Amino acid sequence: DAGVIQSPRHEVTEMGQEVTLRCKPISGHNSLFWYRQTMMRGLELLIYFNNNVPIDDSGMPEDRFSAKMPNASFSTLKIQPSEPRDSAVYFCASSLPPVNTEAFFGQGTRLTVV
Amino acid sequence: GENVEQHPSTLSVQEGDSAVIKCTYSDSASNYFPWYKQELGKGPQLIIDIRSNVGEKKDQRIAVTLNKTAKHFSLHITETQPEDSAVYFCAAMGGGGSYIPTFGRGTSLIVHP
Repeated sequence: DAGVIQSPRHEVTEMGQEVTLRCKPISGHNSLFWYRQTMMRGLELLIYFNNNVPIDDSGMPEDRFSAKMPNASFSTLKIQPSEPRDSAVYFCASSLPPVNTEAFFGQGTRLTVV
Repeated sequence: GENVEQHPSTLSVQEGDSAVIKCTYSDSASNYFPWYKQELGKGPQLIIDIRSNVGEKKDQRIAVTLNKTAKHFSLHITETQPEDSAVYFCAAMGGGGSYIPTFGRGTSLIVHP
């Protein structure tokens, strides 16, 4: 398996624009996480899906952020409108509890909002 | 919810020395404690983990210890090498049947040749 695949790797956008980050989890994994990493706050959980259903979205900063998982092999994180303070590295991770509780991370998307 | 504290935030050692990173957690029901290594430009990767029914686990130069009573666990790296330089994250999960890892803030380890 190629691991968790995220796209794009880098995204530079202007304030106010819509940004969509994409994730393909490892095949067969039924849990998917979106994390945001910044120097100030470390790794923050944004949302957790299990079997394509959002279970915990308490970490989503505000209504500008939304996430979907239309099927077991694809998820998106959308920011609309984007703001400079959204600049961060966004990671997607997947796992297969309870068989294997290790979270496998993608390479991340570095988002810069100018 | 779970809260994980990690110290130190930065650690600088000479090649060949040992490095120790410590974490505490708040939820006594947590039962799985993974450690991740994040190299520059990459996502975190699991390097070792420990479950609550074990007090210590070793894998070559890396070991993890767990004290359930005190609710703290530590990562020990012996004979450090420059390629060990990275950011290390501890995490805790499993409390209340949760499969969501709660991460510490990370430790930037620098190994000087």
